[in-house]
Amino acid sequence: SQTIHQWPATLVQPVGSPLSLECTVEGTSNPNLYWYRQAAGRGLQLLFYSVGIGQISSEVPQNLSASRPQDRQFILSSKKLLLSDSGFYLCAWSVTAGITYEQYFGPGTRLTVT
Amino acid sequence: QKEVEQDPGPLSVPEGAIVSLNCTYSNSAFQYFMWYRQYSRKGPELLMYTYSSGNKEDGRFTAQVDKSSKYISLFIRDSQPSDSATYLCAINTQGAQKLVFGQGTRLTINP
Repeated sequence: SQTIHQWPATLVQPVGSPLSLECTVEGTSNPNLYWYRQAAGRGLQLLFYSVGIGQISSEVPQNLSASRPQDRQFILSSKKLLLSDSGFYLCAWSVTAGITYEQYFGPGTRLTVT
Repeated sequence: QKEVEQDPGPLSVPEGAIVSLNCTYSNSAFQYFMWYRQYSRKGPELLMYTYSSGNKEDGRFTAQVDKSSKYISLFIRDSQPSDSATYLCAINTQGAQKLVFGQGTRLTINP
């Protein structure tokens, strides 16, 4: 069966510090991968998605970046965090064949920038 | 105009009530309609999906789509405290690799 892992679960970082969040998927090959941010009481904001290794689409201009160094690994990074980067970060995957209607979400990382 | 609009609530109802959650969308090209449920501090999970106008039932849940009005609904019958969660609608077009999510409605079922 497929499993998606995210770490860390919680993170408190000062403004201006770097960020690296990692997501890995097991049990599937060549998935689509997604990074979302969910601010308190808000909906899901798509940040990046990837349809293959090294292929990254950015949805929102910001000080975040994403990379996909391996087929089932997706990394979200920042060189300098802002207060507005606080939120709940979710990684998700979906199959690439057919219609994308189901995305499988990881447990999330709760980031607080102080 | 946002592609998908969803009343963020919060919505609080007594146990056993019928709950109606709604979304509107702007682009008639959207063909696939989903409802996700998200418990507190967890990732969302797919609850139901449909691709045609009309109703689709799954136990106590009914998803309804009206493409002519660009309106989608989720009905929960005999609501239970365990249904307390945030419900997000999501839509997609054929061939698109990403979903468009609504803002989510926070629902509380009171015992």
